[in-house]
Amino acid sequence: GAGVSQSPSNKVTEKGKDVELRCDPISGHTALYWYRQSLGQGLEFLIYFQGNSAPDKSGLPSDRFSAERTGGSVSTLTIQRTQQEDSAVYLCASSPTAVQFSGISEAFFGQGTRLTVV
Amino acid sequence: DQQVKQNSPSLSVQEGRISILNCDYTNSMFDYFLWYKKYPAEGPTFLISISSIKDKNEDGRFTVFLNKSAKHLSLHIVPSQPGDSAVYFCAASVYSSASKIIFGSGTRLSIRP
Repeated sequence: GAGVSQSPSNKVTEKGKDVELRCDPISGHTALYWYRQSLGQGLEFLIYFQGNSAPDKSGLPSDRFSAERTGGSVSTLTIQRTQQEDSAVYLCASSPTAVQFSGISEAFFGQGTRLTVV
Repeated sequence: DQQVKQNSPSLSVQEGRISILNCDYTNSMFDYFLWYKKYPAEGPTFLISISSIKDKNEDGRFTVFLNKSAKHLSLHIVPSQPGDSAVYFCAASVYSSASKIIFGSGTRLSIRP
């Protein structure tokens, strides 16, 4: 497909288990973002990958959260020892480059992964 | 520390009238601003953007205004249509450092007939 693809679309897991969320960005996009949206909340920044630069991990809420991007393409967000407060929709986005004045480099979002920790 | 703020969680506007959504930011380094629209169970979609070298950008029914001195931007939708009912997110970034995009908490816009 031409858009950002995320899998799974829904995930229910037991508290304490680890989960992996996958993001396939648009081909050729160098920038990749992870956000999450908890119920009734806004988009919370988690982590940002830009090309070969070191990722900006400043939004990760705890050391249980980690993400990697292999080969500058697919990204995996891993949450270890999940807690109920981790329940949210996790959104991935990609853009061709960093945001530019031309306005053509806005981030394109996937449909998200709804994570429910029970 | 919320760098991008949308202080109105919801807004109701009559069809055909103007919808005005507001956004404030605190980081004076931000120089690129975007608006996204989000329907339930879908990812946000890009609507319109503006750089700090401009104070207005228009695209059809959508216009974004930027007031740098007040660190304020607004999105105007006119005329408002039923399909505009959605959550609108304001976002900002620092172009020169290729930084992440920071989003506000969103405003739920409802267009009533």
